[in-house]
Amino acid sequence: DAGVIQSPRHEVTEMGQEVTLRCKPISGHNSLFWYRQTMMRGLELLIYFNNNVPIDDSGMPEDRFSAKMPNASFSTLKIQPSEPRDSAVYFCASSLGTSGYEQYFGPGTRLTVT
Amino acid sequence: AQSVAQPEDQVNVAEGNPLTVKCTYSVSGNPYLFWYVQYPNRGLQFLLKYITGDNLVKGSYGFEAEFNKSQTSFHLKKPSALVSDSALYFCAVREDNNNDMRFGAGTRLTVKP
Repeated sequence: DAGVIQSPRHEVTEMGQEVTLRCKPISGHNSLFWYRQTMMRGLELLIYFNNNVPIDDSGMPEDRFSAKMPNASFSTLKIQPSEPRDSAVYFCASSLGTSGYEQYFGPGTRLTVT
Repeated sequence: AQSVAQPEDQVNVAEGNPLTVKCTYSVSGNPYLFWYVQYPNRGLQFLLKYITGDNLVKGSYGFEAEFNKSQTSFHLKKPSALVSDSALYFCAVREDNNNDMRFGAGTRLTVKP
């Protein structure tokens, strides 16, 4: 298995632009998580899906952030409009379930908003 | 809500010496505990987990961790450190009745030759 796939690996954009991050989870996994990692705040859970349904989006910073999972093999995280404080590494992770199942992380997308 | 603490930002050990990376947790129910490792410019990689059963859990790359309920700890250990173990280590906890996983702030392990 190729593992969790994320694209792009790096994204540089100007403030105000729309940014879309993409994730393909491991086949057969039914839970998907989006995280943000910064030096100041560490690793933060933004949102997670179970069987393509958003379960908890309380970590989404504000209305500028949105996430979708149209099918079991694809998810997007969109930021519109982007701001410099959104600069971070965004990770997608998937697992066979929640509770006692470990998560498998993608390589991350490094976002820089200038 | 559950929480996890990694009291050391940095741990330095000499190659060949034993290493310990500390983790304590707080939950209202039964904990599920995890350790992950992050190498530079990579995603987090699962090392081991405690769900139930034997308090000593063995994982990848020779790492192990001991669940201590009375001390609410889940310290990561390795008998003999390698330079290649140098990385950022994260402890995580999830309650058995809650799907939210909380990660610690991370501990940077440096193993010197």
